[in-house]
Amino acid sequence: DIQLTQSPSFLSASVGDRVTITCRASQGISSYLAWYQQKPGKAPKLLIYAASTLQSGVPSRFSGSGSGTEFTLTISSLQPEDFATYYCQQLNSYPPITFGPGTKVDIK
Amino acid sequence: EVQLVESGGGLVQPGGSLRLSCAASGFTFSDHYMDWVRQAPGKGLEWVGRTRNKANSYTTEYAASVKGRFTISRDDSKNSLYLQMNSLKTEDTAVYYCAREGAYCGGDCHDAFDIWGQGTMVTVSS
Repeated sequence: DIQLTQSPSFLSASVGDRVTITCRASQGISSYLAWYQQKPGKAPKLLIYAASTLQSGVPSRFSGSGSGTEFTLTISSLQPEDFATYYCQQLNSYPPITFGPGTKVDIK
Repeated sequence: EVQLVESGGGLVQPGGSLRLSCAASGFTFSDHYMDWVRQAPGKGLEWVGRTRNKANSYTTEYAASVKGRFTISRDDSKNSLYLQMNSLKTEDTAVYYCAREGAYCGGDCHDAFDIWGQGTMVTVSS
């Protein structure tokens, strides 16, 4: 199974900050990686697929990069509505499809 | 409006069974692979399993933690997805989400879970 790790697991940031979350895969997954945002009590929301393609309707302050085993999600200027938990997901090798453990972005 | 609506959650004793349903609307359900994902209280997301579409023979895949106990099925005529859960354990307690797999194809195709239901809570406890 392909394992995903995320760092940091928790980060505290202010509105306007640039935020970067890293996702690492235990083996190469090409660009078969997606990012999701989840707010408390809500379903996850797709932000990015194919490692770097922004889902329709997602603000352009979100961006993704990477290939192989290391990926990043960047929020260029954090907004109040961006405080949430972010998960990466690999869809290269399955079963199982796997998610990272999540990164909680909190208000400083 | 494109949406997924889960139902069927509740309280069940260990060893019991429960069947979840997911009603789809606003898109061509039969075209898509469909998945179940769960989230235990205060924990992260765990993929449960998927069913492919008719073109791919409705084949199914499962996480090791549920294989042999859970069965995913679909009824394209009713735009519905199902999760039959047997031999339930306390560790199956979670919110269960159904999700649509969208296939995004350029040079190659990339799947992603682009539509999610609101989730239904399953509690396994005596």
